[in-house]
Amino acid sequence: AQKVTQAQTEISVVEKEDVTLDCVYETRDTTYYLFWYKQPPSGELVFLIRRNSFDEQNEISGRYSWNFQKSTSSFNFTITASQVVDSAVYFCALSENYGGSQGNLIFGKGTKLSVKP
Amino acid sequence: DSGVTQTPKHLITATGQRVTLRCSPRSGDLSVYWYQQSLDQGLQFLIQYYNGEERAKGNILERFSAQQFPDLHSELNLSSLELGDSALYFCASSSHPGGDYGYTFGSGTRLTVV
Repeated sequence: AQKVTQAQTEISVVEKEDVTLDCVYETRDTTYYLFWYKQPPSGELVFLIRRNSFDEQNEISGRYSWNFQKSTSSFNFTITASQVVDSAVYFCALSENYGGSQGNLIFGKGTKLSVKP
Repeated sequence: DSGVTQTPKHLITATGQRVTLRCSPRSGDLSVYWYQQSLDQGLQFLIQYYNGEERAKGNILERFSAQQFPDLHSELNLSSLELGDSALYFCASSSHPGGDYGYTFGSGTRLTVV
């Protein structure tokens, strides 16, 4: 079954701390995409990154970095030097092209990050 | 502004009623997806349309239906509403039916059933 697990329900850190959000996925497909979205208190879903299953290079974008490890089916997200504005719920998601389910996203339950000043 | 427009932003209605949520995809995107976000179920895929045709179905109740019109906007119809249907409903669009080029989400419609 296709599944995304975000084991951390809530994380609280103090500003400037580094924080890693974990994501583990399950899929039968060899071709798939992994995503991270941010949902701030205002409610919209903000796209952060998309990674395809053939590209295991880690990616860095400013204070954000992502570690994709196919061997452990993990796609972890690290925020370096966290800021109060990073407070949000973060979702990891998996997109498959499989049978009738073409391209829909399977979301994890989300991790609520609170960054305190 | 993501380019995906959802209306209305908020909706309050009574149990047993019927509502229609509207989504206009980003310009050039042919695929529209509907998702429901509730406290107990999280973010769940409901249904996908591509260029006017239903492409995939997820956990969509029989009381719910959707369609995509020739101008590519989509409507999600929710009928015989129950308290448990209260949720945030998101629409997303992509240019490719398989979503290989990413998804753009609208800001959502918050439905409250009283």
